[in-house]
Amino acid sequence: AQSVTQLGSHVSVSEGALVLLRCNYSSSVPPYLFWYVQYPNQGLQLLLKYTTGATLVKGINGFEAEFKKSETSFHLTKPSAHMSDAAEYFCAVRAGLIQGAQKLVFGQGTRLTINP
Amino acid sequence: KAGVTQTPRYLIKTRGQQVTLSCSPISGHRSVSWYQQTPGQGLQFLFEYFSETQRNKGNFPGRFSGRQFSNSRSEMNVSTLELGDSALYLCASSLFGTGTEAFFGQGTRLTVV
Repeated sequence: AQSVTQLGSHVSVSEGALVLLRCNYSSSVPPYLFWYVQYPNQGLQLLLKYTTGATLVKGINGFEAEFKKSETSFHLTKPSAHMSDAAEYFCAVRAGLIQGAQKLVFGQGTRLTINP
Repeated sequence: KAGVTQTPRYLIKTRGQQVTLSCSPISGHRSVSWYQQTPGQGLQFLFEYFSETQRNKGNFPGRFSGRQFSNSRSEMNVSTLELGDSALYLCASSLFGTGTEAFFGQGTRLTVV
């Protein structure tokens, strides 16, 4: 069964510092991986996704993530944090083998706080 | 291009009542999935509809049901509400299914008192 573990429920960084949010996955098939962001009282917004091909994936708002099969990881990074990055971030993996019997399995989320 | 629209944004219901939530997907998307988000359980998959047919279901009791109309709009119904049903209910729209690129609505915040 597919699963996702996000290491650290809370991460705090200073404005301008590197953002690193960790995600490890478990999947018995080649994974499709996603990062979503959620601002207060909002839905989820897709930041980036990995399906196949290039392992370094660039997303919106300056975020990127690298798929590392050997480490079963898909960590999210941003070189320089901005106050507007404060939000909750969710890593997700596609679960299910057959199209039509698939769903997204989410990690528990990481709340990112940016200190001025 | 309009995004995913969920109505209403907020609801307060009493235990034992039933509730219906609505989701209008992005134009052209035939897949609508529903997720429940709570502080304790996180984001959990409820079910997915594709072209008016439910094709995947999560581990929720039968009190949770849904349907999809020919215009791809979907409704989710919860009967005999319990306090534990208080949650943010999110709808996700996608072309091919929730395991691919999914776009989420802003959610409906349901409070059961």
